[in-house]
Amino acid sequence: QVQLQQSGPELVKPGASVKISCKASGYAFSSSWMNWVKQRPGQGLEWIGRIYPGDGDTNYNGKFKGKATLTADKSSSTAYMQLSSLTSVDSAVYFCARWGMVTPFDYWGQGTTLTVSS
Amino acid sequence: EIVLTQSPALMAASPGEKVTITCSVSSSISSSNLHWYQQKSETSPKPWIYGTSNLASGVPVRFSGSGSGTSYSLTISSMEAEDAATYYCQQWSSYPLITFGSGTKLEIK
Repeated sequence: QVQLQQSGPELVKPGASVKISCKASGYAFSSSWMNWVKQRPGQGLEWIGRIYPGDGDTNYNGKFKGKATLTADKSSSTAYMQLSSLTSVDSAVYFCARWGMVTPFDYWGQGTTLTVSS
Repeated sequence: EIVLTQSPALMAASPGEKVTITCSVSSSISSSNLHWYQQKSETSPKPWIYGTSNLASGVPVRFSGSGSGTSYSLTISSMEAEDAATYYCQQWSSYPLITFGSGTKLEIK
């Protein structure tokens, strides 16, 4: 069965960077777009961008260009999102989600909570 | 940029009541590109309705979706307690490629 297992919660200082992982299993990792979504406490869902692991092609929401960098390692079936120059507004839960063959965003990771605080 | 506006933002319904949530799109999109997700208590969202009117796997048949162009809706024919959640519409088309509505929080009376 398809599973997306995300890395654990992060507490980082302002100005630092963090790299969140999403390990996929149960399907052909290289053949499906992997998306990243941000959710601030009590707020809605915000699409950050996506990566096609097969060739590394990426698309970003313009709002997150320069903030988020998406990569993927086919050998370990893991997608990564690096967030840089962190501030309090980056504190949120970040989800990875697979773009499915029939249903968009058909499988989601459990979410990674990022807290930016000194 | 395509903006999705959901209404209402918050609503409460009694068991058995019919519920309709709307999603207004700032520019016309293909109905195949409009989808809905259910989220409970900020756990991972679940795909709920895709391509405007197709129920995702496991979604009860009391749910339905409809719409075209710039106006879409999610309807529950008879509200049940387990339907209490936040529902988001989503579109993918032009830049910024994928956007979500602001969400509708549905509570049980």
